[in-house]
Amino acid sequence: DVKVTQSSRYLVKRTGEKVFLECVQDMDHENMFWYRQDPGLGLRLIYFSYDVKMKEKGDIPEGYSVSREKKERFSLILESASTNQTSMYLCASSLLNQETQYFGPGTRLLVL
Amino acid sequence: GENVEQHPSTLSVQEGDSAVIKCTYSDSASNYFPWYKQELGKRPQLIIDIRSNVGEKKDQRIAVTLNKTAKHFSLHITETQPEDSAVYFCAARSVDSNYQLIWGAGTKLIIKP
Repeated sequence: DVKVTQSSRYLVKRTGEKVFLECVQDMDHENMFWYRQDPGLGLRLIYFSYDVKMKEKGDIPEGYSVSREKKERFSLILESASTNQTSMYLCASSLLNQETQYFGPGTRLLVL
Repeated sequence: GENVEQHPSTLSVQEGDSAVIKCTYSDSASNYFPWYKQELGKRPQLIIDIRSNVGEKKDQRIAVTLNKTAKHFSLHITETQPEDSAVYFCAARSVDSNYQLIWGAGTKLIIKP
């Protein structure tokens, strides 16, 4: 059974703070993804990674960076949080040549 | 690049009736179309998918149909039950997209008792 976990379910930060969101998967998946989910906008891809130390920009990478130092862990970094980054953040993973994505429980981030 | 539109944004049906959610895509090279269900407060999970070499796929009360010519695909849920209440997302994957999925905006399905 695939397990994808995220470091926090809820997070409250102040404008300008540096924020780290962590995602860990235990199924040796090569692909990992970070999405943000906003009402009426669906799932928007921020960044994804298909291998350790590899990353590619998604549709909305501005204001975010990522780190993948180990295969099982994919971190999303908000360098200087802003109020428009208040959202639900979902991490997902998949095998290299398979489309099915397995999601984490999400982190609801509030930036004040 | 690929663009996926999903309709309706909200769908309310009587328990026991059928529900249909439709998605259109723009890239004719797309070849894989999954549907995910997200219950309130939970993570999205794959419920059914279809590839471009198939026109229809069924799994108990849910089915997906694909019309490649018109570039649209639909999710059909029959005999709806309260546990079908959720947000449903469609997605499409193009052969050129490096296994990325392009997502629809989601449909909130409400089952009325």
